[in-house]
Amino acid sequence: GESVGLHLPTLSVQEGDNSIINCAYSNSASDYFIWYKQESGKGPQFIIDIRSNMDKRQGQRVTVLLNKTVKHLSLQIAATQPGDSAVYFCAENQAGTALIFGKGTTLSVSS
Amino acid sequence: ETGVTQTPRHLVMGMTNKKSLKCEQHLGHNAMYWYKQSAKKPLELMFVYSLEERVENNSVPSRFSPECPNSSHLFLHLHTLQPEDSALYLCASSQEAQMNTEAFFGQGTRLTVV
Repeated sequence: GESVGLHLPTLSVQEGDNSIINCAYSNSASDYFIWYKQESGKGPQFIIDIRSNMDKRQGQRVTVLLNKTVKHLSLQIAATQPGDSAVYFCAENQAGTALIFGKGTTLSVSS
Repeated sequence: ETGVTQTPRHLVMGMTNKKSLKCEQHLGHNAMYWYKQSAKKPLELMFVYSLEERVENNSVPSRFSPECPNSSHLFLHLHTLQPEDSALYLCASSQEAQMNTEAFFGQGTRLTVV
């Protein structure tokens, strides 16, 4: 079935490096995408979203890139900090359906 | 704080017990959701409510029974659960159901079935 997935289950970076977390989706009808961050013992927290009429959106230290041609979504975190250590999920939907989540990438930041 | 509060945070129950999970949202949203999060698996959507009416039920076993008495409160009634039902149960809300908008999550209830 159609689903959202991530390329790597874990990613380890040094403090200060830039992090890139990738996500592939298979539903070409999806038109809305979100990145969530989940810290240990907490629920997922919204980071940034993007609609299919855009290919890039920037927030504070984060950038989301959408490549609809290859159905690929990425989250870039600039100057990664220890507080960024968490599990990151991408999610997608099309109007009329609930959010579908990928498995998550665990980001570990060492200082 | 996300504006979505879940209680209890932790729950241990036997397979013959009956318990309920509670969720309350203070965001004025019209839609509420239950998700199940198991280790090594994506979040699984269980139920969707829009304006207190159930709009989606993803083939969830009948031992899970949701209740939405008003747009701010959502319950998940549990009875005769199995050990494989042990997981983190997450409640979420959004402005409208199943539209292109973010969902706000509570901190979850960690359920252990013994």
